[in-house]
Amino acid sequence: DSGVTQTPKHLITATGQRVTLRCSPRSGDLSVYWYQQSLDQGLQFLIQYYNGEERAKGNILERFSAQQFPDLHSELNLSSLELGDSALYFCASSVDLAAQETQYFGPGTRLLVL
Amino acid sequence: LAKTTQPISMDSYEGQEVNITCSHNNIATNDYITWYQQFPSQGPRFIIQGYKTKVTNEVASLFIPADRKSSTLSLPRVSLSDTAVYYCLVGDVGIGFQKLVFGTGTRLLVSP
Repeated sequence: DSGVTQTPKHLITATGQRVTLRCSPRSGDLSVYWYQQSLDQGLQFLIQYYNGEERAKGNILERFSAQQFPDLHSELNLSSLELGDSALYFCASSVDLAAQETQYFGPGTRLLVL
Repeated sequence: LAKTTQPISMDSYEGQEVNITCSHNNIATNDYITWYQQFPSQGPRFIIQGYKTKVTNEVASLFIPADRKSSTLSLPRVSLSDTAVYYCLVGDVGIGFQKLVFGTGTRLLVSP
């Protein structure tokens, strides 16, 4: 158990819909990362937040957005969903900003878009 | 942006040493090299991290040559439970635009 929690564990929805994935970092961690993992793309970094502010952006689509709240939990919003958005979405947290900080990954949310 | 390249898959037997190499030709001065292990339907788990030379912990060793353009994860005496995908990560998320890049991942299969 990494100490990072993600909800929901599974999500099935239809194309065109919008969903919100939630992540609670480990106690004391200020940095939250979101990743997408699909069969054909591997593990892709989406976005990072640090203490409520966006710090780094990866291959995140414009239809996707995220935020980190004052209590440090984070939400990833996916809108106008397409079949290709079906994937595992992981959240990770670390104490600080830099990549040399060990990232602790949550169990993931499996999204299926029908 | 340091892109990484790893072998797609490797096979081994229980008790053998396994070495997985990651190429990162464009590694930047501030970049660290981190390896993660991932089992199916689970989030990646940190194995080891280094900047240069050699790092060893209770589960693995990481060898980094002087030019830092590659790194080798060494797993001593693997067991069946080491069957997983291993990712090489190179990056330094500073303020702003740099992206964390995971390698393609190496699927290690350990057989009896």
